[in-house]
Amino acid sequence: LAKTTQPISMDSYEGQEVNITCSHNNIATNDYITWYQQFPSQGPRFIIQGYKTKVTNEVASLFIPADRKSSTLSLPRVSLSDTAVYYCLVGEYNFNKFYFGSGTKLNVKP
Amino acid sequence: DVKVTQSSRYLVKRTGEKVFLECVQDMDHENMFWYRQDPGLGLRLIYFSYDVKMKEKGDIPEGYSVSREKKERFSLILESASTNQTSMYLCASSLRDHQNTQYFGPGTRLTVL
Repeated sequence: LAKTTQPISMDSYEGQEVNITCSHNNIATNDYITWYQQFPSQGPRFIIQGYKTKVTNEVASLFIPADRKSSTLSLPRVSLSDTAVYYCLVGEYNFNKFYFGSGTKLNVKP
Repeated sequence: DVKVTQSSRYLVKRTGEKVFLECVQDMDHENMFWYRQDPGLGLRLIYFSYDVKMKEKGDIPEGYSVSREKKERFSLILESASTNQTSMYLCASSLRDHQNTQYFGPGTRLTVL
């Protein structure tokens, strides 16, 4: 299982772009990188997933360098409602064990 | 929309009681998961099931058992609740070959006194 390392917390202001980086030095060839978002008193919610280069959806972008030992979740123009904990996970597409670390607590200020 | 529901949002039990936490999903997902979440420890996998009557241990199965008699329902059982099992319990489900994309329920906050 590839373990991940993320900053414990980050602060930002409304309207800014936020980049959260995750390290996964032991990522395996078949591993995908997945990000989840969790609001207080709710279960995590899938945001985005990628294997290499760049993936973009209506919520975020995911940048993965060629060596895949890290990845960056990019949230454009954050608002107060983006205050949440963000988890980076690494595992095979159908792997049966998922490792959720402590995540990054993003605090968006007005 | 995928919906995963859990039987209770809050539950208070006494030490030694048998506790049942129920989870139901309505999207015909093959895989179901039980996690617990504690401050500073993130989410930890207790058990998961990839089919009816099938189960596999996660990272912290001690003190827990599970039951999956129907595809849509996955139960977590604390045979004899202890105070160190006070936690937030989260259920999730996914399609068979898409385990990276899990849909979570709202969670049950269990307090064992």
